[in-house]
Amino acid sequence: AQSVTQLGSHVSVSEGALVLLRCNYSSSVPPYLFWYVQYPNQGLQLLLKYTTGATLVKGINGFEAEFKKSETSFHLTKPSAHMSDAAEYFCAVTFNAGGTSYGKLTFGQGTILTVHP
Amino acid sequence: DAGVIQSPRHEVTEMGQEVTLRCKPISGHDYLFWYRQTMMRGLELLIYFNNNVPIDDSGMPEDRFSAKMPNASFSTLKIQPSEPRDSAVYFCASRGGTAFNSPLHFGNGTRLTVT
Repeated sequence: AQSVTQLGSHVSVSEGALVLLRCNYSSSVPPYLFWYVQYPNQGLQLLLKYTTGATLVKGINGFEAEFKKSETSFHLTKPSAHMSDAAEYFCAVTFNAGGTSYGKLTFGQGTILTVHP
Repeated sequence: DAGVIQSPRHEVTEMGQEVTLRCKPISGHDYLFWYRQTMMRGLELLIYFNNNVPIDDSGMPEDRFSAKMPNASFSTLKIQPSEPRDSAVYFCASRGGTAFNSPLHFGNGTRLTVT
C-alpha cells in the first residue's frame, strides 16, 4: 500500500519569502512522486514529477522538489513567493505496476498556500 | 488543444433526482479517470477506463453510481438517485502516452449540489 501525508493543511507566507510545502510518502516499492497545483474553480495542473534519476526536480513557475529516500520526503519549495502562487497544492504518489500498466495515483489531502503582500 | 472538457460546470438538483455528468477527454488519450473532491475526504478516485474499458471501479461508493465510456471521446458519470451526501466537485482527467507516469490532465470539474 502507498500513501502520502502533507504536513500542514494551511501555509501562509509573505510575498518574497521562501515557500516550503511538506510531503512524506509511504510505499513498499520505489515510488514515483508528483506535485499538482489547483487554482480556485479549476482542475489540478502538474507542477513537477520525480520518476528516476536526479533527485532534485524543477517544475513550472519556479518550484522545485527534492526526493529524499532516507527521509521518505518530497518537499516542494520556491525561493520567493509571488501573489499568483496562492492556490492549493497536492502531493501524489504512484508506482510502476509493470510494463505500461497504470499504478494508482494516490493524492495527499492538500495544502492551501496563502501569500500576503 | 482544448483540454479536458466537463459539463455542466455547476449542477443543483433535489434529492432523489438523476444526475449525469459529462466528460470529453483530450484527443488521443487512452486513460480516463473520474475523481470526487470533498473537504472531508479530499480527492477520491472513483473509476478509471483504459481504451474505453472500465479497469477499476472499486472507488465507486455505491450502486447508485455508474460510469460509461461509449467511445474514446466521451464519458458519463451518473448518480441515480442522488443524495445530499453526493454533493462534491467531480473531476474528469485523462492521460496519454505510453509511460505509466505520464501526468493526468484535469478538467475544471462539475460542482454538484444535492438539496
